[in-house]
Amino acid sequence: AQTVTQSQPEMSVQEAETVTLSCTYDTSENNYYLFWYKQPPSRQMILVIRQEAYKQQNATENRFSVNFQKAAKSFSLKISDSQLGDTAMYFCAFKSGIWNAGKSTFGDGTTLTVKP
Amino acid sequence: KAGVTQTPRYLIKTRGQQVTLSCSPISGHRSVSWYQQTPGQGLQFLFEYFSETQRNKGNFPGRFSGRQFSNSRSEMNVSTLELGDSALYLCASRGGESYEQYFGPGTRLTVT
Repeated sequence: AQTVTQSQPEMSVQEAETVTLSCTYDTSENNYYLFWYKQPPSRQMILVIRQEAYKQQNATENRFSVNFQKAAKSFSLKISDSQLGDTAMYFCAFKSGIWNAGKSTFGDGTTLTVKP
Repeated sequence: KAGVTQTPRYLIKTRGQQVTLSCSPISGHRSVSWYQQTPGQGLQFLFEYFSETQRNKGNFPGRFSGRQFSNSRSEMNVSTLELGDSALYLCASRGGESYEQYFGPGTRLTVT
């Protein structure tokens, strides 16, 4: 079974600074997808960024980028120029195989607070 | 396109009762997945329906069931409610064979 571990329950960062959230996973699969989701206090889960395991290039979406280390099974999220609206809980998620495309395994989440 | 909608948003039930939650996916999406979110257990996968068929199932007791209709709307039913069923229930839809899921706002269920 796949597991996803987020070792930082809480983090804080000053507005405009950069912060990195950690995620490690365990799987025997070779083809899989990794995701970061954001869940603001309003509770709507939003997809932030995704990474296909077969791609060596790290994904980037505006201020959000990942550092994907396949051999180390590590998938960290970097938020640059942090904004107050980035305050939320962030979940790392794993998905493997087309038959499991609708099933995500989530980490326990990291609560990020951006301070003014 | 309208997003994923869930009804009701809040629900209070008594132990032993049953409850039905509804999820309408994004137009054109045929897959609906359900997740339970609690402070203690985090986010856990319940099941996925794709074109009216259950494609995958998580590790939950048989009291948790679901179905999907021909218009892709899905319902989740929990029978004989227990206090531990109090949670935020999220549904997520995806289109075709895409790996990206889009979540609804959730239904907050409180069992007293």
